[in-house]
Amino acid sequence: GQNIDQPTEMTATEGAIVQINCTYQTSGFNGLFWYQQHAGEAPTFLSYNVLDGLEEKGRFSSFLSRSKGYSYLLLKELQMKDSASYLCAVRDRAGGGNKLTFGTGTQLKVEL
Amino acid sequence: EAGVAQSPRYKIIEKRQSVAFWCNPISGHATLYWYQQILGQGPKLLIQFQNNGVVDDSQLPKDRFSAERLKGVDSTLKIQPAKLEDSAVYLCASSLRQGLADTQYFGPGTRLTVL
Repeated sequence: GQNIDQPTEMTATEGAIVQINCTYQTSGFNGLFWYQQHAGEAPTFLSYNVLDGLEEKGRFSSFLSRSKGYSYLLLKELQMKDSASYLCAVRDRAGGGNKLTFGTGTQLKVEL
Repeated sequence: EAGVAQSPRYKIIEKRQSVAFWCNPISGHATLYWYQQILGQGPKLLIQFQNNGVVDDSQLPKDRFSAERLKGVDSTLKIQPAKLEDSAVYLCASSLRQGLADTQYFGPGTRLTVL
């Protein structure tokens, strides 16, 4: 099975930088995804990491260390619209499919 | 490009009743997923289809849940009979294939309330 841990809640100030951590344990790691989910809406894809290192996409960056079972999502120049839940999801080779297991999500609140 | 479509958006039923949800994936996407998301939790995979075949249904409560994707495009998820603990958002997602960098795209979901 898999175990994915991320903080339940975080609060940050508009214009600041915030880092959301995710740790995982899995036997057949095959990639890590970050999704953003606004209240009452569907998750939307943010980033994907399968190799160690940093992936940058505009204000959002995601980092992966496979040996440590660790990832983080970095959000720069925070805006009010970034208030949402951020879901870490790990893909596993088991079962031959593209199976994602999601963490419980980190609820980010951006304040003035 | 049109996204994943789902209907209905909201459904309220009494326990022991039946309910069905419909999903139309992004055109050309071979793989379709149904997830259950309980309030305050991440989505949990219920079933995954590759075209019209089931790839993974290990977390589907088969005594009450069923799903089909007969022509490899649209899919229906059914609950019969519903229990109170089935209250959740049911999300449908699709991806082009099962490849290494294949991203899942989610529909808006159906919010089910069981009374």
